[in-house]
Amino acid sequence: AQSVTQLDSHVSVSEGTPVLLRCNYSSSYSPSLFWYVQHPNKGLQLLLKYTSAATLVKGINGFEAEFKKSETSFHLTKPSAHMSDAAEYFCVVSDLSGTYKYIFGTGTRLKVLA
Amino acid sequence: NAGVMQNPRHLVRRRGQEARLRCSPMKGHSHVYWYRQLPEEGLKFMVYLQKENIIDESGMPKERFSAEFPKEGPSILRIQQVVRGDSAAYFCASSPRPDRGGNIQYFGAGTRLSVL
Repeated sequence: AQSVTQLDSHVSVSEGTPVLLRCNYSSSYSPSLFWYVQHPNKGLQLLLKYTSAATLVKGINGFEAEFKKSETSFHLTKPSAHMSDAAEYFCVVSDLSGTYKYIFGTGTRLKVLA
Repeated sequence: NAGVMQNPRHLVRRRGQEARLRCSPMKGHSHVYWYRQLPEEGLKFMVYLQKENIIDESGMPKERFSAEFPKEGPSILRIQQVVRGDSAAYFCASSPRPDRGGNIQYFGAGTRLSVL
């Protein structure tokens, strides 16, 4: 069975400093992994996905994530935080056993300080 | 190309009433997933449907909840005799064809159900 664990429920950074949101996964298969962002009272927007191609994945808005099989990690990073990055971020693994439903982490709330 | 449309955005019901949540997938998408987000929690899978078929309902509560995706029209998530614990945000996602190549799901803005 697949699962993801987001290691931090809240992260605070100052504007202009790097962002690191941590995610570890568990999967019996080579996983399909995603990061989604949710702004308050909005739907979810895809930031990036990993599907066994390049291990360093670039996404929208300057975000990227590196798939590390040896560490079973898929951490999300951004070199310089912007105020508009304040939101909830979800690490997601797709259930590859048949239905491809999403299994979500519990989320990390990113706060960006001026 | 319109995205996934959910309505209503906000729904208020009294205990014991019925709630009907609608989801129109993106054009060309025939696979729909419903997820529920309880306050301060992540999203939890409820049900996966294709046109006229329920494929996986392993996340649906055994009673009061049902879902359909008819040949014509939107997918409907129905909650009968709502209770306060049903208060949550309900998200619909659609996908063109789930596969190992990267099953990207496109999410609607959600329906926020409040039960008084």
